[in-house]
Amino acid sequence: DAGITQSPRHKVTETGTPVTLRCHQTENHRYMYWYRQDPGHGLRLIHYSYGVKDTDKGEVSDGYSVSRSKTEDFLLTLESATSSQTSVYFCAISREPGYSYEQYFGPGTRLTVT
Amino acid sequence: GEDVEQSLFLSVREGDSSVINCTYTDSSSTYLYWYKQEPGAGLQLLTYIFSNMDMKQDQRLTVLLNKKDKHLSLRIADTQTGDSAIYFCAPQAGNMLTFGGGTRLMVKP
Repeated sequence: DAGITQSPRHKVTETGTPVTLRCHQTENHRYMYWYRQDPGHGLRLIHYSYGVKDTDKGEVSDGYSVSRSKTEDFLLTLESATSSQTSVYFCAISREPGYSYEQYFGPGTRLTVT
Repeated sequence: GEDVEQSLFLSVREGDSSVINCTYTDSSSTYLYWYKQEPGAGLQLLTYIFSNMDMKQDQRLTVLLNKKDKHLSLRIADTQTGDSAIYFCAPQAGNMLTFGGGTRLMVKP
């Protein structure tokens, strides 16, 4: 298994509070991704990073920000959590791409916003 | 952007073959991946096929690609109860993967 951990694994928070999720990798891979998984939608890309301090938006980036100050850590922040952000969040990594961008996933964080 | 469609559900008997189908829209997709997700876990990469191939076999798994029709399938031979999971196809276009909604495979003993 790729060395990817996510913390926390479960979190319950109230509407309007800030939340930060952490993804940590030990593989030294360049690319890191944050997805959310909701029933009927599969996985949707929130943000991704292609290097330290280099990030870009995905399909569903509104309400989320990210930071990557070290190769191994990629943080996802919900500035003011809303109930629509209740979801399971997955981090993924991929190596310096040649042609394939196969991604390896962490175990996920289940976030509930009440 | 890319649209990726999968049927929601498939039920088979243990020992039978399972075929999970996927259609996609972006003809520039280069690699096409299959992932497996067991309950409460992340996605596990199963296999992938390069777009210039028609078929790839990997033990009990066979991937078929019809590039003209933009149709991808995953066949699991001798399906076991441990194969019960959600299966996602994910074509790659550029440097991004787009995931289908997933097919839940149920294997009956």
